[in-house]
Amino acid sequence: RKEVEQDPGPFNVPEGATVAFNCTYSNSASQSFFWYRQDCRKEPKLLMSVYSSGNEDGRFTAQLNRASQYISLLIRDSKLSDSATYLCVYYNFNKFYFGSGTKLNVKP
Amino acid sequence: DAGVTQSPTHLIKTRGQQVTLRCSPKSGHDTVSWYQQALGQGPQFIFQYYEEEERQRGNFPDRFSGHQFPNYSSELNVNALLLGDSALYLCASSSPDRRMTEAFFGQGTRLTVV
Repeated sequence: RKEVEQDPGPFNVPEGATVAFNCTYSNSASQSFFWYRQDCRKEPKLLMSVYSSGNEDGRFTAQLNRASQYISLLIRDSKLSDSATYLCVYYNFNKFYFGSGTKLNVKP
Repeated sequence: DAGVTQSPTHLIKTRGQQVTLRCSPKSGHDTVSWYQQALGQGPQFIFQYYEEEERQRGNFPDRFSGHQFPNYSSELNVNALLLGDSALYLCASSSPDRRMTEAFFGQGTRLTVV
Protein backbone atom coordinates (compact mmCIF):
# COMPACT_ATOMS: atom_id res chain seq x y z
CA ARG A 1 0.00 0.00 0.00
CA LYS A 2 1.31 3.46 -0.89
CA GLU A 3 2.06 5.90 1.90
CA VAL A 4 -0.19 8.53 0.31
CA GLU A 5 -2.93 7.78 -2.19
CA GLN A 6 -4.49 10.33 -4.48
CA ASP A 7 -6.81 10.18 -7.46
CA PRO A 8 -4.53 11.13 -10.37
CA GLY A 9 -7.35 12.81 -12.27
CA PRO A 10 -7.33 14.76 -14.44
CA PHE A 11 -10.16 16.85 -13.11
CA ASN A 12 -11.43 18.99 -15.99
CA VAL A 13 -13.59 21.84 -14.71
CA PRO A 14 -14.88 25.14 -16.11
CA GLU A 15 -13.78 28.46 -14.70
CA GLY A 16 -15.76 29.38 -11.62
CA ALA A 17 -16.42 25.79 -10.61
CA THR A 18 -15.80 24.32 -7.18
CA VAL A 19 -13.58 21.26 -7.12
CA ALA A 20 -12.49 18.98 -4.28
CA PHE A 21 -9.57 16.61 -3.97
CA ASN A 22 -9.09 13.95 -1.34
CA CYS A 23 -6.14 11.87 -0.33
CA THR A 24 -5.59 9.12 2.20
CA TYR A 25 -2.45 8.37 4.16
CA SER A 26 -1.29 5.17 5.78
CA ASN A 27 0.68 6.30 8.82
CA SER A 28 -1.56 7.23 11.72
CA ALA A 29 1.41 8.76 13.55
CA SER A 30 1.92 11.39 10.86
CA GLN A 31 2.76 14.74 12.33
CA SER A 32 2.03 17.45 9.79
CA PHE A 33 0.14 17.70 6.57
CA PHE A 34 0.37 19.91 3.54
CA TRP A 35 -0.90 20.53 0.05
CA TYR A 36 1.75 21.42 -2.51
CA ARG A 37 1.12 22.71 -6.00
CA GLN A 38 3.33 21.69 -8.91
CA ASP A 39 3.22 23.32 -12.32
CA CYS A 40 4.38 21.38 -15.35
CA ARG A 41 8.14 20.71 -15.20
CA LYS A 42 8.55 22.96 -12.15
CA GLU A 43 9.33 22.29 -8.51
CA PRO A 44 6.56 21.74 -5.95
CA LYS A 45 5.54 24.83 -3.99
CA LEU A 46 3.70 24.93 -0.71
CA LEU A 47 0.04 25.80 -1.18
CA MET A 48 -1.08 25.45 2.41
CA SER A 49 -0.61 23.53 5.61
CA VAL A 50 -3.50 21.42 6.86
CA TYR A 51 -4.78 21.50 10.42
CA SER A 52 -7.23 19.28 12.23
CA SER A 53 -9.54 22.21 12.78
CA GLY A 54 -9.58 22.95 9.07
CA ASN A 55 -8.12 26.06 7.54
CA GLU A 56 -8.93 28.43 4.76
CA ASP A 57 -6.77 30.64 2.59
CA GLY A 58 -8.84 32.71 0.18
CA ARG A 59 -10.52 30.33 -2.25
CA PHE A 60 -8.77 27.30 -0.79
CA THR A 61 -9.96 25.23 2.16
CA ALA A 62 -8.10 22.27 3.60
CA GLN A 63 -9.40 19.70 6.04
CA LEU A 64 -7.75 16.89 7.96
CA ASN A 65 -9.62 13.89 9.35
CA ARG A 66 -7.20 11.96 11.54
CA ALA A 67 -9.72 9.27 12.47
CA SER A 68 -10.26 8.36 8.83
CA GLN A 69 -6.73 9.32 7.76
CA TYR A 70 -7.70 11.53 4.91
CA ILE A 71 -7.00 15.07 3.82
CA SER A 72 -9.07 17.20 1.51
CA LEU A 73 -8.60 20.35 -0.53
CA LEU A 74 -11.50 22.44 -1.78
CA ILE A 75 -10.99 25.09 -4.43
CA ARG A 76 -13.82 27.54 -4.97
CA ASP A 77 -14.34 29.80 -7.99
CA SER A 78 -11.63 28.04 -10.01
CA LYS A 79 -9.33 30.19 -12.12
CA LEU A 80 -7.41 29.24 -15.24
CA SER A 81 -4.25 29.81 -13.21
CA ASP A 82 -5.28 27.03 -10.79
CA SER A 83 -4.44 24.48 -13.48
CA ALA A 84 -1.63 22.40 -11.98
CA THR A 85 -0.93 19.16 -10.17
CA TYR A 86 -1.79 19.15 -6.47
CA LEU A 87 0.35 16.99 -4.22
CA CYS A 88 -0.87 15.69 -0.90
CA VAL A 89 1.99 15.51 1.60
CA TYR A 90 2.55 14.41 5.15
CA TYR A 91 5.59 14.85 7.32
CA ASN A 92 6.79 12.33 9.85
CA PHE A 93 10.14 11.88 11.55
CA ASN A 94 12.05 14.25 9.33
CA LYS A 95 10.66 12.91 6.06
CA PHE A 96 8.06 14.20 3.67
CA TYR A 97 5.83 11.65 1.99
CA PHE A 98 4.24 12.73 -1.26
CA GLY A 99 1.29 11.43 -3.16
CA SER A 100 1.53 11.10 -6.92
CA GLY A 101 -0.59 14.18 -7.36
CA THR A 102 -3.99 15.09 -8.75
CA LYS A 103 -4.03 16.97 -12.02
CA LEU A 104 -6.46 19.85 -12.37
CA ASN A 105 -7.33 21.47 -15.70
CA VAL A 106 -9.48 24.59 -15.49
CA LYS A 107 -11.07 25.39 -18.86
CA PRO A 108 -12.38 28.78 -20.07
CA ASP B 1 16.95 36.21 0.29
CA ALA B 2 17.94 33.50 -2.15
CA GLY B 3 15.81 30.41 -2.00
CA VAL B 4 17.05 26.90 -2.62
CA THR B 5 19.31 26.77 -5.64
CA GLN B 6 20.31 23.70 -7.59
CA SER B 7 22.81 23.11 -10.35
CA PRO B 8 22.85 22.17 -13.09
CA THR B 9 19.25 22.59 -14.27
CA HIS B 10 19.55 19.97 -16.99
CA LEU B 11 21.96 17.14 -17.58
CA ILE B 12 22.33 14.33 -20.09
CA LYS B 13 24.46 11.34 -19.17
CA THR B 14 25.20 7.93 -20.64
CA ARG B 15 24.42 4.64 -18.90
CA GLY B 16 27.22 3.62 -16.57
CA GLN B 17 28.46 7.15 -15.99
CA GLN B 18 28.52 9.00 -12.70
CA VAL B 19 26.81 12.30 -11.92
CA THR B 20 27.02 14.93 -9.18
CA LEU B 21 24.18 17.31 -8.46
CA ARG B 22 24.49 20.32 -6.20
CA CYS B 23 22.21 22.19 -3.85
CA SER B 24 22.47 25.34 -1.76
CA PRO B 25 19.78 25.57 0.90
CA LYS B 26 17.66 28.56 1.74
CA SER B 27 19.40 31.01 4.07
CA GLY B 28 19.01 29.94 7.70
CA HIS B 29 18.19 26.33 6.84
CA ASP B 30 20.45 23.57 8.09
CA THR B 31 18.72 20.46 6.77
CA VAL B 32 18.83 19.30 3.18
CA SER B 33 16.78 16.48 1.70
CA TRP B 34 16.98 15.00 -1.76
CA TYR B 35 14.06 13.62 -3.73
CA GLN B 36 13.68 11.84 -7.03
CA GLN B 37 10.58 12.56 -9.08
CA ALA B 38 9.92 10.28 -12.02
CA LEU B 39 7.47 11.39 -14.68
CA GLY B 40 3.90 11.23 -13.43
CA GLN B 41 4.92 10.39 -9.87
CA GLY B 42 5.29 12.31 -6.66
CA PRO B 43 8.75 13.03 -5.27
CA GLN B 44 10.35 10.04 -3.54
CA PHE B 45 12.67 10.60 -0.58
CA ILE B 46 16.30 9.64 -1.23
CA PHE B 47 18.06 10.85 1.91
CA GLN B 48 18.47 13.74 4.29
CA TYR B 49 21.55 15.51 5.61
CA TYR B 50 21.85 17.35 8.86
CA GLU B 51 25.06 18.48 10.53
CA GLU B 52 27.05 16.95 7.66
CA GLU B 53 25.68 13.48 8.41
CA GLU B 54 23.17 11.36 6.53
CA ARG B 55 20.33 11.28 9.01
CA GLN B 56 17.74 9.27 7.11
CA ARG B 57 17.64 7.27 3.93
CA GLY B 58 14.83 6.16 1.69
CA ASN B 59 14.63 3.01 -0.36
CA PHE B 60 17.41 3.79 -2.82
CA PRO B 61 20.48 1.67 -3.63
CA ASP B 62 23.99 2.48 -2.50
CA ARG B 63 24.69 3.91 -5.95
CA PHE B 64 23.05 7.02 -4.53
CA SER B 65 25.28 8.82 -2.08
CA GLY B 66 25.57 12.33 -0.77
CA HIS B 67 27.46 14.83 1.22
CA GLN B 68 26.78 17.97 3.20
CA PHE B 69 29.36 20.69 3.65
CA PRO B 70 29.92 22.97 6.66
CA ASN B 71 28.01 25.76 4.89
CA TYR B 72 25.00 23.35 4.68
CA SER B 73 25.19 22.98 0.90
CA SER B 74 24.90 19.44 -0.35
CA GLU B 75 25.75 17.13 -3.22
CA LEU B 76 23.97 14.09 -4.55
CA ASN B 77 26.12 11.54 -6.37
CA VAL B 78 24.78 8.73 -8.49
CA ASN B 79 27.16 6.05 -9.77
CA ALA B 80 26.69 3.50 -12.56
CA LEU B 81 23.72 5.36 -14.02
CA LEU B 82 20.77 3.37 -15.30
CA LEU B 83 18.11 4.47 -17.76
CA GLY B 84 15.65 4.33 -14.86
CA ASP B 85 17.57 7.05 -13.04
CA SER B 86 16.18 9.57 -15.51
CA ALA B 87 14.08 11.90 -13.39
CA LEU B 88 13.76 15.33 -11.85
CA TYR B 89 15.99 15.51 -8.77
CA LEU B 90 14.76 17.93 -6.17
CA CYS B 91 16.57 19.36 -3.22
CA ALA B 92 14.56 20.64 -0.29
CA SER B 93 15.78 22.58 2.68
CA SER B 94 14.03 23.05 5.98
CA SER B 95 14.29 25.21 9.04
CA PRO B 96 15.70 24.40 12.45
CA ASP B 97 12.22 25.22 13.81
CA ARG B 98 10.65 21.79 13.67
CA ARG B 99 7.30 22.62 15.16
CA MET B 100 5.75 23.05 11.73
CA THR B 101 8.39 22.10 9.25
CA GLU B 102 7.75 22.84 5.63
CA ALA B 103 10.05 22.03 2.78
CA PHE B 104 11.26 24.64 0.33
CA PHE B 105 12.27 23.13 -2.94
CA GLY B 106 14.86 24.13 -5.50
CA GLN B 107 13.89 24.22 -9.16
CA GLY B 108 15.37 20.77 -9.62
CA THR B 109 17.88 19.12 -11.90
CA ARG B 110 16.40 17.21 -14.80
CA LEU B 111 18.64 14.21 -15.44
CA THR B 112 18.31 12.23 -18.64
CA VAL B 113 20.24 8.97 -18.95
CA VAL B 114 20.65 7.69 -22.49
